[in-house]
Amino acid sequence: QVQLVESGGGLVKPGGSLRLSCAASAFTFSDYFMSWIRQAPGKGLEWISYISQTGSIIYHADSVKGRFTISRDNAKNSLYLQMNSLRAEDTAVYYCAAVAGSSLDYWGQGTLVTVSS
Amino acid sequence: DVVMTQSPLSLPVTLGQPASISCRSSQSLVHSDGNTYLSWFQQRPGQSPRRLIYRVSNRDSGVPDRFSGSGSGTDFTLKISRVEAEDVGVYYCMQGTHWPALTFGGGTKVEIK
Repeated sequence: QVQLVESGGGLVKPGGSLRLSCAASAFTFSDYFMSWIRQAPGKGLEWISYISQTGSIIYHADSVKGRFTISRDNAKNSLYLQMNSLRAEDTAVYYCAAVAGSSLDYWGQGTLVTVSS
Repeated sequence: DVVMTQSPLSLPVTLGQPASISCRSSQSLVHSDGNTYLSWFQQRPGQSPRRLIYRVSNRDSGVPDRFSGSGSGTDFTLKISRVEAEDVGVYYCMQGTHWPALTFGGGTKVEIK
């Protein structure tokens, strides 16, 4: 059964940093674009970043550009999101998802990031 | 970026009755390859989203056939033929035609009357 398991969330002060991880299993991770999507408390879904199979193509939404960096390690079947200069408005559940056919095939269960002093 | 607009925001439905959710895009979602990359996702309370429909009308494996997607160009619809209790949640449309930015609709909350 396909699994995506996010980790690394928690409470961080404004201006701080956090690194999220997403461990993939039961599918060929290296065949997929991967993406991060977030959901602020009580709000809708916001796509924030994706990375191609080899990491040669990376894109970040304007809301996180210059602060967040997506990366992956195909040998470890893992996706990452380095988040720097965190703001209160970055408080959200962060989901990783596998991208195929310009859609999001598989989703993780999410990890909560809270930015507060 | 393409703006996706869903309506209604909230949809109270009687069990066993049909439900319909509209999704409109600010630009045509027909890709240069001829496909239309419009997906629908369901998010039950306390759960992560799961996809129901891809490329307008293709149901994912395991999705009940009471769910159907239709539409073209800029206007799309998700229909539930007979709402069941397990269908309660928020439904999102998403466009994947206009990269690099994937965009979601604002969501429609389906609840039982």
